[in-house]
Amino acid sequence: AQSVTQLGSHVSVSEGALVLLRCNYSSSVPPYLFWYVQYPNQGLQLLLKYTTGATLVKGINGFEAEFKKSETSFHLTKPSAHMSDAAEYFCAVSPIQAGTALIFGKGTTLSVSS
Amino acid sequence: DGGITQSPKYLFRKEGQNVTLSCEQNLNHDAMYWYRQDPGQGLRLIYYSQIVNDFQKGDIAEGYSVSREKKESFPLTVTSAQKNPTAFYLCAAKPGQLTNYGYTFGSGTRLTVV
Repeated sequence: AQSVTQLGSHVSVSEGALVLLRCNYSSSVPPYLFWYVQYPNQGLQLLLKYTTGATLVKGINGFEAEFKKSETSFHLTKPSAHMSDAAEYFCAVSPIQAGTALIFGKGTTLSVSS
Repeated sequence: DGGITQSPKYLFRKEGQNVTLSCEQNLNHDAMYWYRQDPGQGLRLIYYSQIVNDFQKGDIAEGYSVSREKKESFPLTVTSAQKNPTAFYLCAAKPGQLTNYGYTFGSGTRLTVV
């Protein structure tokens, strides 16, 4: 069965510090991987996705993620945190069977302090 | 602008009542999804639909029902059989069955039992 594990339900950083949110997946086939962001009382917004090709994927708001097949990881990074980055972040993996649904991790809440 | 509209934003339900959450999209997407979000539990799939007049149960379908009579509409009914309905409900859509597409989400409905 496929699954997504986000290490750390809460991550706290200072403004200007590196942001690293961890995501590991299990999949028996090459996966498609996604990162979403959710601000309070809002829906989820797609940050970036990996499908095929370059393993370093750039997204919106200065975020990027690197697909590492050997480590089954898709960690999200941003070189310098901004107060506006405070939100909840979800990693997701595509299902093996077409016509089913994305599999989401439980989310990581990012706090940014000044 | 194309998008997904969920209404109402806040909904209060009395014990024993059925309530219906609306989800409308003008993206012309075939697939639509309902998720439930509780703190610390991530997103859990309730129901999804790939085409009009067809839908499938997700992981937590008990106590919920849906219909898909039109491509643009996918309402969710929370029935009195759902014993703990207080949660944030998210509707999403994607273009088709291909697994490399990300979802577009609505802004959510917060349901509270009073």
